[in-house]
Amino acid sequence: DTGVSQDPRHKITKRGQNVTFRCDPISEHNRLYWYRQTLGQGPEFLTYFQNEAQLEKSRLLSDRFSAERPKGSFSTLEIQRTEQGDSAMYLCASSLDTTDTQYFGPGTRLTVL
Amino acid sequence: QKEVEQNSGPLSVPEGAIASLNCTYSDRGSQSFFWYRQYSGKSPELIMSIYSNGDKEDGRFTAQLNKASQYVSLLIRDSQPSDSATYLCAVYSNSGYALNFGKGTSLLVTP
Repeated sequence: DTGVSQDPRHKITKRGQNVTFRCDPISEHNRLYWYRQTLGQGPEFLTYFQNEAQLEKSRLLSDRFSAERPKGSFSTLEIQRTEQGDSAMYLCASSLDTTDTQYFGPGTRLTVL
Repeated sequence: QKEVEQNSGPLSVPEGAIASLNCTYSDRGSQSFFWYRQYSGKSPELIMSIYSNGDKEDGRFTAQLNKASQYVSLLIRDSQPSDSATYLCAVYSNSGYALNFGKGTSLLVTP
């Protein structure tokens, strides 16, 4: 069990550019979650997958945000036309169907200049 | 009213003392409660989960749940400087999959 992994760990981009982050969940975890955390706040839920199905996406922050999990394994989170307000830590978590305990990856820290 | 509330701190305790961290939540139907520890610049790390009223102990950590009062707490016995971190309380939303987090309580254990 290697834990949840995320790539890249850090991303610096210019305003208006698109960015994509990857998350690899713990093997055999069929549930995958994305959260965003800004300084001084707790993580904020964005979206959720069960296997390849995205069961909740209404909490994505705007239509510039999208997520996929094409084969029910890894997931990607894309932010189009980044804005300075998108600067945050983007966290991925996974869990088994049979438990509700979510385990977090190391996060991707995004800085938008 | 925020769904999960915590005092932001900082809470300062001397080494060896008991640290007491508190959390209240608004959804009376919540069933699952979690404490995560987060070091500066790192991601949340699960400490404990609790589902039933009463106490649950794991090593130096004890989680306490009172559903009638909508209150969850975390006690850390024999606090160590390495316990200095932000402690996040998390409660499942009524959706059943999204965790609602408090802002976290910053704990500082002084030698």
